[in-house]
Amino acid sequence: DAGVIQSPRHEVTEMGQEVTLRCKPISGHNSLFWYRQTMMRGLELLIYFNNNVPIDDSGMPEDRFSAKMPNASFSTLKIQPSEPRDSAVYFCASTRTEKNTEAFFGQGTRLTVV
Amino acid sequence: GENVEQHPSTLSVQEGDSAVIKCTYSDSASNYFPWYKQELGKRPQLIIDIRSNVGEKKDQRIAVTLNKTAKHFSLHITETQPEDSAVYFCAASNPNFNKFYFGSGTKLNVKP
Repeated sequence: DAGVIQSPRHEVTEMGQEVTLRCKPISGHNSLFWYRQTMMRGLELLIYFNNNVPIDDSGMPEDRFSAKMPNASFSTLKIQPSEPRDSAVYFCASTRTEKNTEAFFGQGTRLTVV
Repeated sequence: GENVEQHPSTLSVQEGDSAVIKCTYSDSASNYFPWYKQELGKRPQLIIDIRSNVGEKKDQRIAVTLNKTAKHFSLHITETQPEDSAVYFCAASNPNFNKFYFGSGTKLNVKP
């Protein structure tokens, strides 16, 4: 397996534009997490899906953020409209729910909003 | 939800010395505690983990200890090397939700 795949790796956009980040989890994994990483706040859990269903989105900062998981092999995180303070590295991670096991991270998407 | 606190935020040691990073958690239902290492510009990767039925686990120069009563766990790195320089994250997982709550990270600098 190629691991968790995220795209794009880098994204630079202007304030007010819509941004869509994509994630393909490891095949067979049924839990998917979106994290945001900044120097100030470290790793923040934004949303958690289990079997494609959003279980906890309490970490989503505000209504400008939304996430979907239409099937077991694909998820998106959308920011509309984007703001400079959204600049961060966004990680997607996946794992198997049964038994506590390691979460595997994607390479991350470095988002810069100017 | 879970609250994971990690200390220190930065740690500088001389090559060959030991490094210790400590974490506390709040949810007594948490029973899985992984540690991740993140090198500059890369993704976090698991280096060692421990489950609540074990008090200590060791893998070469890395060891983790867990005190469930006190709700704290620690990462110990012995004979540190420059390549150990990275940001280390602890995490706690609740078995009911399998959510990984991460600590804020410790930036370890090993000076040659």
